[in-house]
Amino acid sequence: QQQVKQSPQSLIVQKGGISIINCAYENTAFDYFPWYQQFPGKGPALLIAIRPDVSEKKEGRFTISFNKSAKQFSLHIMDSQPGDSATYFCAAFSAGKSTFGDGTTLTVKP
Amino acid sequence: EAGVAQSPRYKIIEKRQSVAFWCNPISGHATLYWYQQILGQGPKLLIQFQNNGVVDDSQLPKDRFSAERLKGVDSTLKIQPAKLEDSAVYLCASSNRGYNEKLFFGSGTQLSVL
Repeated sequence: QQQVKQSPQSLIVQKGGISIINCAYENTAFDYFPWYQQFPGKGPALLIAIRPDVSEKKEGRFTISFNKSAKQFSLHIMDSQPGDSATYFCAAFSAGKSTFGDGTTLTVKP
Repeated sequence: EAGVAQSPRYKIIEKRQSVAFWCNPISGHATLYWYQQILGQGPKLLIQFQNNGVVDDSQLPKDRFSAERLKGVDSTLKIQPAKLEDSAVYLCASSNRGYNEKLFFGSGTQLSVL
């Protein structure tokens, strides 16, 4: 059962543009929502995370928007750079147990 | 601070052979995870340890996969016998307490089963 659905599967953005990746979840017990960034040949690394008591969290160029009623959350990358080209995974945690989305491959063209 | 160490980096085996992966988590991290990442998919949790006890192994194919974490530090994941569909990257991760917090991942072991 796919509990976290991520879209789009791939995304191409021009340098300086905004990248937006979306995730939807089903289990209302989820209470921690991180985004991970993965470069080829490396393990995922935490980018930013949010808990359901806030609707938005910003860290530098990266923002998470969270809509509890719609059971959706999204990652916004402002001023996208070629160095941001990677695969991004959303995840949802409940009581320490994790479910990951299937990833979005982002390509930022110079 | 040293990261999560995994070995080997790559492994190629024939189907029905056995294979073992090793992981050394970040020092002091109580929780250790093994994930399977099939190409084009997100990481799928296989087993989660809290110190040397198993917290969750509900998605571990126990007829062929086994894992242990002796002394609550490093861990090994074994597959015996391997199937073609086991071809994947096996990621080890650790966290401080294991409850809805940052996971630190190793670079993984890429397994190819021929």
